Amino acid sequence: QVQLQESGPGLVKPSETLSLTCTVSGGSITSGDYYWSWIRQHPGKGLEWVGYMSNSGHTYYAPSLRGRVTISVDTSKNQFSLKVNSVTAADTAVYYCAREYQGGIFDPWGQGTLVTVSS
Amino acid sequence: DIQMTQSPSTLSASVGDRVTITCRASQSISSWLAWYQQKPGKAPNLLIYKASTLESGVPSRFTGSGSGTEFTLTITSLQPDDFATYYCQQYDTYRTFGQGTRVEI
Repeated sequence: QVQLQESGPGLVKPSETLSLTCTVSGGSITSGDYYWSWIRQHPGKGLEWVGYMSNSGHTYYAPSLRGRVTISVDTSKNQFSLKVNSVTAADTAVYYCAREYQGGIFDPWGQGTLVTVSS
Repeated sequence: DIQMTQSPSTLSASVGDRVTITCRASQSISSWLAWYQQKPGKAPNLLIYKASTLESGVPSRFTGSGSGTEFTLTITSLQPDDFATYYCQQYDTYRTFGQGTRVEI
């Protein structure tokens, strides 16, 4: 059974880069027809899709974040990562990683990690 | 962008009630819609995909219906474990979530 776990700093200063890693266990990140996605949730708010990377290396980002976001995969570590540049307080959120299949279904999800942008 | 609008935002109900949540898309998304349940402090959990297909392991009291722009999630007999927030999500173009419906006692 595939499980995902986010890791990374919980506090990032404004204008700096937010970096998170998602470790996949219970299965290979290269097997199957899956995308590897990031989704965030602002405190007390709804869910916002950030973007994904496919097994073939194709990436796709939410239009509102395009230009600031990079998703990459490290197959040797069975991990994928998220970087968000030039962060502001508006990037404060719980960040979830998730496996995506059949063109947009998210399952399973990681437990989520809170990232606060503050000086 | 495709906007997803859920109603109501909050729903008060009792154990045993039949509950219906509506999700409307700003343009047709065919049947490319999923429903998730989220409890406080936890990640969302997939309930239904392709508008009406029940995810394995999800109780049959959850049903989804609709196509095009209007969709519903129905819980036929609300159980104590069902008090949570529910989100719809379209995956026709990019991926967009509704704002959520909180089901409370």
